[in-house]
This record gives sequence, C-alpha cells and structure tokens, in this order.
Amino acid sequence: DTAVSQTPKYLVTQMGNDKSIKCEQNLGHDTMYWYKQDSKKFLKIMFSYNNKELIINETVPNRFSPKSPDKAHLNLHINSLELGDSAVYFCASSQRFDGGKLFFGSGTQLSVL
Amino acid sequence: KNEVEQSPQNLTAQEGEFITINCSYSVGISALHWLQQHPGGGIVSLFMLSSGKKKHGRLIATINIQEKHSSLHITASHPRDSAVYICAVRSYFGNEKLTFGTGTRLTIIP
Repeated sequence: DTAVSQTPKYLVTQMGNDKSIKCEQNLGHDTMYWYKQDSKKFLKIMFSYNNKELIINETVPNRFSPKSPDKAHLNLHINSLELGDSAVYFCASSQRFDGGKLFFGSGTQLSVL
Repeated sequence: KNEVEQSPQNLTAQEGEFITINCSYSVGISALHWLQQHPGGGIVSLFMLSSGKKKHGRLIATINIQEKHSSLHITASHPRDSAVYICAVRSYFGNEKLTFGTGTRLTIIP
C-alpha cells in the first residue's frame, strides 16, 4: 500500500488549460505539503496544510489553489496554465506540522506546451 | 546566496569508497533532513536530526549546531547509492517551512 500517492504521474497539456493533481496519504499524518521541483532539480515549498488548515502559502501565483477536503487529501488545482509552470510537483506528508520525517509521493511531471 | 549550501555539487567515486557530502546553512534551525532522490525521480527521507549523529545501515548523518553544518557519510559505497542527495533545514523561527539545498549528484562506478 503506497503511503503517499499522487496522480497523475505525467500531465501534458496546452497553455491556458486548467488541471488538477490529486494527493492522498494513508499514514494518518496531520500535515501535507506541495513542493515544486524546477528544471535544475531545486525543490521549493508551495503550500502546507495542517489538519485541513492552510499554514504555509509561499509566493505562488494565485492561479494555484490547494484544496484539502480532509486531512488525508491535498489536491492542487492550477488555472490558466503557463509554460513556466512546467516542473515536477511533489506531494508530501509528515506526522505533525512542527517536525517529523517527510514522506513523499512519486511526483507529477507537468509539461505545458 | 542560498540559505542552504551543499558540497560538492557532483561527486563520482569508485565502488567501495567512503563518501562524504556536506551541508552548511545560515539560519537557526529546529531540524535538518537528508533526502535521497533516485534516478527515477522518487524522493525518500533518509534522516531527520536536530543534534548529534544518526546511523542507518551504511549511512551516517551528523550535525554540528554551533557550526551550522551537517555531513552525510556513506560507507562501502555501491552503485545503487547513485542518486541526488538533498539537505533541507526547518527554520527555527517563522513558519517552520523547509528550505532545500541544491543537491549533490553522486555516481558510484562499479
């Protein structure tokens, strides 16, 4: 059973489209995250949710909207996709907000054409 | 300048060699993570530490809080250790977000 699963693994779409990436964790963790990994493999936090509440919202365009229907799920919706949004997006979870080992999903490679 | 600096950026070694990857940071931290990113892209957490030393199999992680420095050591390296190793720190102040280093690409040659 995969601890943190995200879908889809690959997403190829045209500029201007709206797309969603889903993430689910079955670890019973309180905190979930979205990270973006750029073409140089640099990871950066986008959002963090703790018990469905938004805790961290880094400088991310408001075309990106996270949604946490319950603490096991954190989805990422992206409106009006741009070329610069092409990257690998990782979902992760940890037991609590102020610490704990991170568990990552397998990543979603988004290509905007 | 990035808050988290790793060295070297790239490291190639022969199988069996002892490997050291370094991480220096400039902020007060509550914890430091070492992550491994496989060639296939998946990321695995290796260690989380806030003081001292941790060991898991052939991997050892140490941290010196006063010097703001951590090292990841691999003993008896093997080609399957080839991966990108990423250091990340959790800031002590502020919103507890993780800041990542740029990674060290390790290649072990048989």
